Amino acid sequence: GEDVEQSLFLSVREGDSSVINCTYTDSSSTYLYWYKQEPGAGLQLLTYIFSNMDMKQDQRLTVLLNKKDKHLSLRIADTQTGDSAIYFCAESGDMRFGAGTRLTVKP
Amino acid sequence: EPEVTQTPSHQVTQMGQEVILRCVPISNHLYFYWYRQILGQKVEFLVSFYNNEISEKSEIFDDQFSVERPDGSNFTLKIRSTKLEDSAMYFCASGTAPLHFGNGTRLTVT
Repeated sequence: GEDVEQSLFLSVREGDSSVINCTYTDSSSTYLYWYKQEPGAGLQLLTYIFSNMDMKQDQRLTVLLNKKDKHLSLRIADTQTGDSAIYFCAESGDMRFGAGTRLTVKP
Repeated sequence: EPEVTQTPSHQVTQMGQEVILRCVPISNHLYFYWYRQILGQKVEFLVSFYNNEISEKSEIFDDQFSVERPDGSNFTLKIRSTKLEDSAMYFCASGTAPLHFGNGTRLTVT
């Protein structure tokens, strides 16, 4: 069935860049989103990209979209311990979420 | 910045009881949603609501679930007879592109 796929875990050292990847299936999605969930908390919208864009940069965050391959990535520059969380990608077509990538940042 | 608020933050109920989870969406939003997240699992779509009716629902949203907008500000999710497997975080969201989520209600069914 159709699904949004993400790798489940990513571990990086503080100060390194993190890259979280996602593949989606609904080519009609107008927007693709990244949400952040800290332990016990809700879903915080981090950033989103319109489907006719290839890249969007927002401070330390860079979103890359390869529409042909239906691949979305989130790069966090200079990753900090406060970035440790679960990151979900989601597509707007039917608002399906990936399973989330747990990012662990080691000091 | 306006936000989606959900109450209560944590609800404990016994199996078979009815629960109502409450949400106040952002005031000028027209689309409303409920999602759930079983502990450690993915966020799952339950239902979307527009113009005072359900616009879409998933197979999870069976006859035990219902939604209502009882007044101009609240949006509720009712589970008629809770089961153990209903234990999850329930998130309300409003808006379109992007959705804005509340902080969730943790429902524990014992």
